[in-house]
This record gives sequence, C-alpha cells and structure tokens, in this order.
Amino acid sequence: DAKTTQPPSMDCAEGRAANLPCNHSTISGNEYVYWYRQIHSQGPQYIIHGLKNNETNEMASLIITEDRKSSTLILPHATLRDTAVYYCIVRPGVWSGAGSYQLTFGKGTKLSVIP
Amino acid sequence: DTEVTQTPKHLVMGMTNKKSLKCEQHMGHRAMYWYKQKAKKPPELMFVYSYEKLSINESVPSRFSPECPNSSLLNLHLHALQPEDSALYLCASSPRSIQVPANTEAFFGQGTRLTVV
Repeated sequence: DAKTTQPPSMDCAEGRAANLPCNHSTISGNEYVYWYRQIHSQGPQYIIHGLKNNETNEMASLIITEDRKSSTLILPHATLRDTAVYYCIVRPGVWSGAGSYQLTFGKGTKLSVIP
Repeated sequence: DTEVTQTPKHLVMGMTNKKSLKCEQHMGHRAMYWYKQKAKKPPELMFVYSYEKLSINESVPSRFSPECPNSSLLNLHLHALQPEDSALYLCASSPRSIQVPANTEAFFGQGTRLTVV
C-alpha cells in the first residue's frame, strides 16, 4: 500500500508557483521521498527526491519538514506543459530485499495549470 | 541514452491470441519492472526482475508471463487475455546493485496501450 496522502486535485495559474503537498507521517529513517509526474497517456517521469534536506534541480524544489512527516513539491513557474498527475512516493534508501527498489504509487494529485 | 523503449505503442488482440510486449534499455540497469495502469488509476506493480531473475510477482494471473532474456530486454507474453486486462502496460528500469544505494531514480517507458476484444 502507498504510504503517502495527497490532495486529489489542484489548480494553478500559468506563471505562478505550484505547491503540491504530501503527507507521509509513517516514514522511517532510511526512507526517501520521491516525486514523479505522469502527463496524460505517457510513462511516469522522475522529478526529484530527498531524504531530509531541501533539494532543488532544474525542474523543481522539494521542501521536507524537519520531522519528515510531510513535504511540498514546488514548481516555481508553472506552464501548461506541467499539467499532469503528480505522485509522491516513499521508498527505502538501503537495500533490504527484492522489494526495495520498486515504486508503489498512490493516487497522486492531478495538477491543472490554467492559462 | 536514458531511454526505456517499449514496443508496440498500441496493441489490439483477441481473447484467443498470443502476443508479446517488449521493453529495452541500454543504461546498464539490472532491475526491470512491469506495471499495469487502468484508466484514471495509478500504476500497479506486476513483476520485478533483478539480475535477470524474477524476484517479485504480485499475484499476477498466469495469462501474463514475463521473461528477461538478457540484461537489456524484458518481455511480457500475453495469452488468453480478458477484456478487463485492457490497460496501459509500463516498463521501467533502475540501477540494482548492493554497491549502488537505492536512492536512485527509475526510468519509465511510454507504455503499450493494450486493448483486448
């Protein structure tokens, strides 16, 4: 089962920052937070991941609370091409058996960027 | 090359047909996955291969038969499917090595849209 909770949908005006929240209150110490997105009828695309520090790359920023029970993905200047379903996933950071590397998807947040 | 290539992109098959889905990656990844995604639902894991050996089968019916002939290829053989098996089938790969920490990204293909008639 997915270990994360996300709002089912959000709207964001084009050019504004999109802030997508995720709750992962049962996350354990060696688990990372990953974000993927899936544009309609395409395969999921990796965005960013982090353990406890805030992370930034060319696509987005990831803010993880100090207690690690929640995080926020930030798309700084949303465009129409960012309309997609965004998945927050918790995944082990150390090898602990065959299931360690799989991704278990929750329901995600459908982000609609409005012109 | 950071691509996972899936063929065909679309497939229509009858319930008595036998067909195969193919997946290929040249990133040296030793973990490969099949996911099934129904409309408006998240992807659901079907199989995991690690070093060309099946390591996880998520109670998938035997009409789906995976095969990993080498480290770059993953197949999904289909036989006697039902209309409810119509879905988007996604392949993914990721590095898999005790020397490589698990905090690495997985790469997904664009999927095969399967319709069973």
